[in-house]
Amino acid sequence: DVKVTQSSRYLVKRTGEKVFLECVQDMDHENMFWYRQDPGLGLRLIYFSYDVKMKEKGDIPEGYSVSREKKERFSLILESASTNQTSMYLCASITSSETGELFFGEGSRLTVL
Amino acid sequence: AQSVTQLDSQVPVFEEAPVELRCNYSSSVSVYLFWYVQYPNQGLQLLLKYLSGSTLVKGINGFEAEFNKSQTSFHLRKPSVHISDTAEYFCAVSDFNTDKLIFGTGTRLQVFP
Repeated sequence: DVKVTQSSRYLVKRTGEKVFLECVQDMDHENMFWYRQDPGLGLRLIYFSYDVKMKEKGDIPEGYSVSREKKERFSLILESASTNQTSMYLCASITSSETGELFFGEGSRLTVL
Repeated sequence: AQSVTQLDSQVPVFEEAPVELRCNYSSSVSVYLFWYVQYPNQGLQLLLKYLSGSTLVKGINGFEAEFNKSQTSFHLRKPSVHISDTAEYFCAVSDFNTDKLIFGTGTRLQVFP
């Protein structure tokens, strides 16, 4: 069974802390994505990666960075968390030969106080 | 640039009634269209997709959608809903040149007994 695993389902952090959200997929997918989900705004793309060590900005990259050192792992980093980054974060992956069927993790709900 | 509009943020319906969730898109190029479902406390999973061919697409759990190019719509329908269909539904679009999906703001379907 295919799986995208996000390391933390719930996190609470303080303003200014550095936050790491980890995502691992076991499907040997080339492409990985980070979205944030907010009520009334749907899903917005933060960053994506088409290969190891490659990254591209999505629609809302400000305040975030990413790391992809291994094919199966894609990390989202908040260098200095702020309250407006309180959100649900969703990781997804897809093989480059497949059209549109993103596989999603269960999400990481981050609260920044 | 592409965009997706889901006109209804919430759709309440009684069990066994038919339902239609509306989705309109805008794009200057040909697109692929998708519907994803998110059950409570879970990630998103693919419900159905339109890539080419027949404009009527059938998906999982008895859902179907019809691509209407002239009206730039991709409405989701089910003739008889169940309590278990209670979830949030997202319409998404991508163009032929990218794996990036642009999501709508979501429609919360609530099925009452």
